[in-house]
Amino acid sequence: AQSVAQPEDQVNVAEGNPLTVKCTYSVSGNPYLFWYVQYPNRGLQFLLKYITGDNLVKGSYGFEAEFNKSQTSFHLKKPSALVSDSALYFCAVRDPSNTGKLIFGQGTTLQVKP
Amino acid sequence: GAGVSQSPRYKVAKRGQDVALRCDPISGHVSLFWYQQALGQGPEFLTYFQNEAQLDKSGLPSDRFFAERPEGSVSTLKIQRTQQEDSAVYLCASSLASAADVSGNTIYFGEGSWLTVV
Repeated sequence: AQSVAQPEDQVNVAEGNPLTVKCTYSVSGNPYLFWYVQYPNRGLQFLLKYITGDNLVKGSYGFEAEFNKSQTSFHLKKPSALVSDSALYFCAVRDPSNTGKLIFGQGTTLQVKP
Repeated sequence: GAGVSQSPRYKVAKRGQDVALRCDPISGHVSLFWYQQALGQGPEFLTYFQNEAQLDKSGLPSDRFFAERPEGSVSTLKIQRTQQEDSAVYLCASSLASAADVSGNTIYFGEGSWLTVV
């Protein structure tokens, strides 16, 4: 069965510093991986996805993610964090079933302090 | 509209009351998903529609939950005889691709309907 793990409940980083939010996955077949962000009282906003090709994927708001097949990881990164990046981040994997539904991790709260 | 639209945004229901949550997907999107998100948790899959066909309802937690998409566009999630454990955010999402070609397509989410059962 497909699954995603986000090992950190919360990540704290100072504004201007690089940030990493970790995600590992378990899938059968090719992994299709996604990152979403959720601001308070809002829905999920798509950030980026890995389908195939270059292991470094660039997305919205300066975020990027690195796909590592050998480590089955898809960590979200940003070179310089902003206070406005503070939110809840979800990693997800596509289920290759007949629906293609997303299976989400438990989420990681990112706190960026000024 | 430009995005997935859900209504109501907030609903307080008394235990035992029936509720209906509406989702307007992005125009032309074939696939429609419903998810349930408990406080502090990741979204959990409820059900999936391809056009008007409900192809997967394996995530519906009980027979009190029912979803429909009769004309392949707007969808309604209905919860009968609500219980306190039904309190959650209900997220609707849509995607352009059909189930047969979903791999690379992005799934877009609405703002959610926040249900509180008292």
